[in-house]
Amino acid sequence: EPEVTQTPSHQVTQMGQEVILRCVPISNHLYFYWYRQILGQKVEFLVSFYNNEISEKSEIFDDQFSVERPDGSNFTLKIRSTKLEDSAMYFCATVKGSSYNEQFFGPGTRLTVL
Amino acid sequence: ELKVEQNPLFLSMQEGKNYTIYCNYSTTSDRLYWYRQDPGKSLESLFVLLSNGAVKQEGRLMASLDTKARLSTLHITAAVHDLSATYFCAGQGGSEKLVFGKGTKLTVNP
Repeated sequence: EPEVTQTPSHQVTQMGQEVILRCVPISNHLYFYWYRQILGQKVEFLVSFYNNEISEKSEIFDDQFSVERPDGSNFTLKIRSTKLEDSAMYFCATVKGSSYNEQFFGPGTRLTVL
Repeated sequence: ELKVEQNPLFLSMQEGKNYTIYCNYSTTSDRLYWYRQDPGKSLESLFVLLSNGAVKQEGRLMASLDTKARLSTLHITAAVHDLSATYFCAGQGGSEKLVFGKGTKLTVNP
């Protein structure tokens, strides 16, 4: 069964460094999302992306964050200058067809900012 | 804006017992989802509830939705250790994004 994949599984970085988290959506899925989960807390929406544009973003998704689909397959989340509080698990989710269909989650990338 | 509240946040129960997790939401939610998360792992979809009165069952888990009361429940029947995990409900209200509750950490003891 097709799955969403994410790389790397764990990223350790120094505060102030840039990181890029990668997601490979399920083939023919058209809607893409990033969520994050700080350790022990709930899952929070960051951004949704469709047709090469951001369709919605949360207050968390400030100017330090950006998303793109550079090559038509990968979907990336970039954090320009990481802060300690960016340490979290980042999940990619993708949807086939209508944006209100079920979201399929990737395995996540654990980001640790030192 | 949609808000989702779950209770209890922590649940310790004995094998063989029944219990219910509650999920209240603040405004209209087009759909209601239940996910399971094992420690350090991703979110596994359990149920998608689409309409008032919807009831879905899978093994020892049964989920229901009452849109008038803005309430969904996840009922656990005759719990077994393998059900130990964190369970999240999530709504989708007027927007494609999922709004999650804080999760219920379930521990099933022998």
